[in-house]
Amino acid sequence: NFMLTQPHSVSESPGKTVTISCTRSSGSIASNYVQWYQQRPGSAPTILIFEDNQRPSGVPDRFSGSIDSSSNSASLTISGLRTEDEADYYCQSHENTNYWVFGGGTKLTVL
Amino acid sequence: QVQLVQSGAEVKKPGASVKISCKTSGYIFTRYYMHWVRQAPGQGLEWMGMINPSGGSTSYAQKFQGRVIMTRDTPTSTVYMDLSSLRSEDTAVYFCARAATMDYWGQGTLVAVSS
Repeated sequence: NFMLTQPHSVSESPGKTVTISCTRSSGSIASNYVQWYQQRPGSAPTILIFEDNQRPSGVPDRFSGSIDSSSNSASLTISGLRTEDEADYYCQSHENTNYWVFGGGTKLTVL
Repeated sequence: QVQLVQSGAEVKKPGASVKISCKTSGYIFTRYYMHWVRQAPGQGLEWMGMINPSGGSTSYAQKFQGRVIMTRDTPTSTVYMDLSSLRSEDTAVYFCARAATMDYWGQGTLVAVSS
């Protein structure tokens, strides 16, 4: 079974753009959809991106998702950073009905 | 509106079992799988398994096979997660999350395992 690897932390200034990567260890990143979640301290995760690049209604278009087969990775890009974007971010995918996996999470600091 | 409301915090001794409920509303219960995900203190998210509320079929992460049972009660639109043989490493917040995309989450249930 594959793993999803994320950077432990990233930081950027307000108003800038940051990209968080999620690399699949084996098998193609394009084989199964990737989701992205935001989790603030003490709260449940909320979905930001589903099916690689789809945004649920209510999620600002500052958040976007993509996949890159050449690096076998997915990416979450947040533009126009705000202090309220400071949170943990998780990617998630699955391989079959009994293997669903999350990346280790990335702590975003907006300095 | 879609809501997933979980049962309250639990304190258990090692070796005991815990059963957490996730009561749903605002959508057709049988149309969406339900996942269970846990998060140990200061750690990331860990998938435990899922249930199809339509027929009750389940899929469990290999790590929890033999220790977890997920069930549902269709008349009350509630799913349950029963974890047995608890150990200290099972201390975590447990979440239910709807559908393949995990688009809605319960508020979480803290389970503390301590002697």
